[in-house]
Amino acid sequence: GAGVSQSPSNKVTEKGKDVELRCDPISGHTALYWYRQSLGQGLEFLIYFQGNSAPDKSGLPSDRFSAERTGGSVSTLTIQRTQQEDSAVYLCASSSGQGGNEQFFGPGTRLTVL
Amino acid sequence: QKEVEQNSGPLSVPEGAIASLNCTYSDRGSQSFFWYRQYSGKSPELIMFIYSNGDKEDGRFTAQLNKASQYVSLLIRDSQPSDSATYLCAGQYNQGGKLIFGQGTELSVKP
Repeated sequence: GAGVSQSPSNKVTEKGKDVELRCDPISGHTALYWYRQSLGQGLEFLIYFQGNSAPDKSGLPSDRFSAERTGGSVSTLTIQRTQQEDSAVYLCASSSGQGGNEQFFGPGTRLTVL
Repeated sequence: QKEVEQNSGPLSVPEGAIASLNCTYSDRGSQSFFWYRQYSGKSPELIMFIYSNGDKEDGRFTAQLNKASQYVSLLIRDSQPSDSATYLCAGQYNQGGKLIFGQGTELSVKP
C-alpha cells in the first residue's frame, strides 16, 4: 500500500508570507505526527493528532504555527508570517494507533524562507 | 526535560564488521525505543523498536535495552557499505505519543 505522502516536496517563500504544508497518512492510520528537522537541531516534535483531535501540541514553537486534521485523514500544518528560522524539513509520520506503535515517515517538505 | 543522547560520530567500520551504535536516555518513564536509519537527503526509515529489557533480533540487526542503565544500543552484523547512513535513536514516553530523538550517529562502512 501507499506510504505517507507530503506536499509540496519543496517550498521557497519570502519572509512574512504564510505557508501550508500537507500530509496524507497511510490509509487507516489514526495517529498523525508532525516533526521538523533542521541543521544542528535534530528532529523535533511539533504536534500529534489522534483522529481529529490534538492531544499534544507541546512542540509548536510559537503561535505562528498551527495544524488541523479533518476527516481523520489529511493534515495541514500552517506557518504564518514565516521567519528565516522556520527553514527546515517538515516531516509527517503516521501510526496505526491501535496497539501498533511504529511511526512511519513521509518524504518531508523542505521549506526555505528567504 | 526528556533527553536522548547519541554520539554524533562519525563511526567508521570495515565491511563485514559489527557496528555498535549507542544511545542513553534521561527519563526512566520512557517505555519504548526506536531505531531509524536516515540516508542523506531522505526521511527516516524505521529499522526496529524495543520495549522490553534484553535483546531483540531482526536479520542483521539486534537492538538491546537496559532500563536499569537507561541505555539502548543497535548492533549491525556483517556491515555493508549500503548501511552507511545516520542512525537515529528515539524514546517514547507514552504508547502512541511523540518520539524524542537523539542527534543521530553517522555510520560509515568502508569497503
